[in-house]
Amino acid sequence: GENVEQHPSTLSVQEGDSAVIKCTYSDSASNYFPWYKQELGKGPQLIIDIRSNVGEKKDQRIAVTLNKTAKHFSLHITETQPEDSAVYFCAASIGLGGGADGLTFGKGTHLIIQP
Amino acid sequence: EAGVVQSPRYKIIEKKQPVAFWCNPISGHNTLYWYLQNLGQGPELLIRYENEEAVDDSQLPKDRFSAERLKGVDSTLKIQPAELGDSAVYLCASSQRATRDEQFFGPGTRLTVL
Repeated sequence: GENVEQHPSTLSVQEGDSAVIKCTYSDSASNYFPWYKQELGKGPQLIIDIRSNVGEKKDQRIAVTLNKTAKHFSLHITETQPEDSAVYFCAASIGLGGGADGLTFGKGTHLIIQP
Repeated sequence: EAGVVQSPRYKIIEKKQPVAFWCNPISGHNTLYWYLQNLGQGPELLIRYENEEAVDDSQLPKDRFSAERLKGVDSTLKIQPAELGDSAVYLCASSQRATRDEQFFGPGTRLTVL
């Protein structure tokens, strides 16, 4: 089955700086890669996703890049703000053509924004 | 639009007792998922439903866990009997047929087994 590795487990950055979280996956059939933000006591919230026919996607301060050859994808947050502090999860699945499969998640990155 | 609703939010039971969790997905979402999230880990899929049919339950420990989605809308996940190692957050998610990759999660039920 799919295996998703996520690094780092904890990331502390100064407010206003950029943060980068990286993930690798094992199953070359995976073609859907979402990122979730989870705040304490809440369920994961989808913040951005990318499909394998796209190399990069951006939404305001958040961007995701995908390298299918190397089987890795990254989340980039620019101009970080205190409200960005949370745990971020990457995930992978064989989406669309393979059906609405369950997601395989990484272990999460605790992002801390220092004021 | 209301999100995924789960209840209860918290449950404390003694080991060997039964427990049930309820989930109501977003209206119109045909696919429903139950995930298990251990402390400090990412969610892990337990079971996936397409309407009322369980299409992927390979990760569900069937000796003590069961689930149902009788009318293809809300769903119940049950554990009987509960063990200490079952303490975790149980998350429900749903997605719709048209954009079915995008899964929306509920707030979860935090289970503590004493």
